[in-house]
Amino acid sequence: DSGVTQTPKHLITATGQRVTLRCSPRSGDLSVYWYQQSLDQGLQFLIQYYNGEERAKGNILERFSAQQFPDLHSELNLSSLELGDSALYFCASSGGLARNGELFFGEGSRLTVL
Amino acid sequence: KNEVEQSPQNLTAQEGEFITINCSYSVGISALHWLQQHPGGGIVSLFMLSSGKKKHGRLIATINIQEKHSSLHITASHPRDSAVYICAVLYNNNDMRFGAGTRLTVKP
Repeated sequence: DSGVTQTPKHLITATGQRVTLRCSPRSGDLSVYWYQQSLDQGLQFLIQYYNGEERAKGNILERFSAQQFPDLHSELNLSSLELGDSALYFCASSGGLARNGELFFGEGSRLTVL
Repeated sequence: KNEVEQSPQNLTAQEGEFITINCSYSVGISALHWLQQHPGGGIVSLFMLSSGKKKHGRLIATINIQEKHSSLHITASHPRDSAVYICAVLYNNNDMRFGAGTRLTVKP
């Protein structure tokens, strides 16, 4: 058990809809990262938050947004969903600013867009 | 061309064999991670390296910053080592790029 909790584990929705994925980091970890893993593109870094502030942005689409709340949990919002958004979405946490910080991954949220 | 190249893509070994997985990247990095992903999908961080060598049990990871290359070695491989091993590089701006992964199967 990594200590990182993601909900929901599975989600099925339709094109055009909006969903919210939630991540609770390990106790004490200030950094939260979101990743997308799809069959055709592999793992991709989406975005990082540190103590409530955005720290780094990767290949995150404009239809996607995220935030980290004062209690350090984070949410990833995916809107105007397309078939190609079907993927596993992972959250990870670490203790510092990510430089040389070990990552702890959640079990992922599997999103299926029909 | 992927910024992070892993080889081989697939690897089948007999139990007990010594295994090496390679990772090359094209520009300077802050750190490199080796990750393990089992068939169930969960990801575990094995190592984080910025220089030199690290060892944990039967796993050894090395990195050569000048040559922009890292290797993951598994000694005395076991069927439970069967998984996908993924190399990920962390850039100075905290962006992270992943290799395509190496699928390892260890047969008893």
